[in-house]
Amino acid sequence: GENVEQHPSTLSVQEGDSAVIKCTYSDSASNYFPWYKQELGKGPQLIIDIRSNVGEKKDQRIAVTLNKTAKHFSLHITETQPEDSAVYFCAARYNYGQNFVFGPGTRLSVLP
Amino acid sequence: ETGVTQSPTHLIKTRGQQVTLRCSSQSGHNTVSWYQQALGQGPQFIFQYYREEENGRGNFPPRFSGLQFPNYSSELNVNALELDDSALYLCASSSRTGRDTEAFFGQGTRLTVV
Repeated sequence: GENVEQHPSTLSVQEGDSAVIKCTYSDSASNYFPWYKQELGKGPQLIIDIRSNVGEKKDQRIAVTLNKTAKHFSLHITETQPEDSAVYFCAARYNYGQNFVFGPGTRLSVLP
Repeated sequence: ETGVTQSPTHLIKTRGQQVTLRCSSQSGHNTVSWYQQALGQGPQFIFQYYREEENGRGNFPPRFSGLQFPNYSSELNVNALELDDSALYLCASSSRTGRDTEAFFGQGTRLTVV
């Protein structure tokens, strides 16, 4: 089955700096890769996603890149703000309608 | 806000008891998936319901069961609760019609088994 690894497990950056979180997946049939942000006491919030037919997607300060050959994808946050502090999860899904396999999460702290 | 609501938000049960958790899906979504999230870990897939039938199951024992209703809302039932069942239970709402593949999560139900 699918396995998703995520690094780093914790990340601290200064406000205004960039943050990068990287994930790798094992099943080459996976075709949809969302990123979720989870704040304390809340459910995961979808922040950006990418499909396997696209190499990069950007939404304001957030971007995701996908390398299908290497089976890895990354989340890039620029101009970080204190409100970006949260746990971020990457996920992979190999078939439309099927379940997600999540990475173990990255705790991002943005220091003022 | 996602429009996915779960109830209750918190619950304390005794080992051996049974619990029912509820989820209302986002308007227009016909698929509900349930996940278990232990403290400090990523969500783990329990099962998915589509058109009122179970459509995929993760590595969870049969004492985890569910239902989906005609309005696409869903229940998760756990029998014979164990201490290790203590976790945040999340439901995710999505649509299998058209091209939409995004899944939106509710706020979760925090279950504590004592």
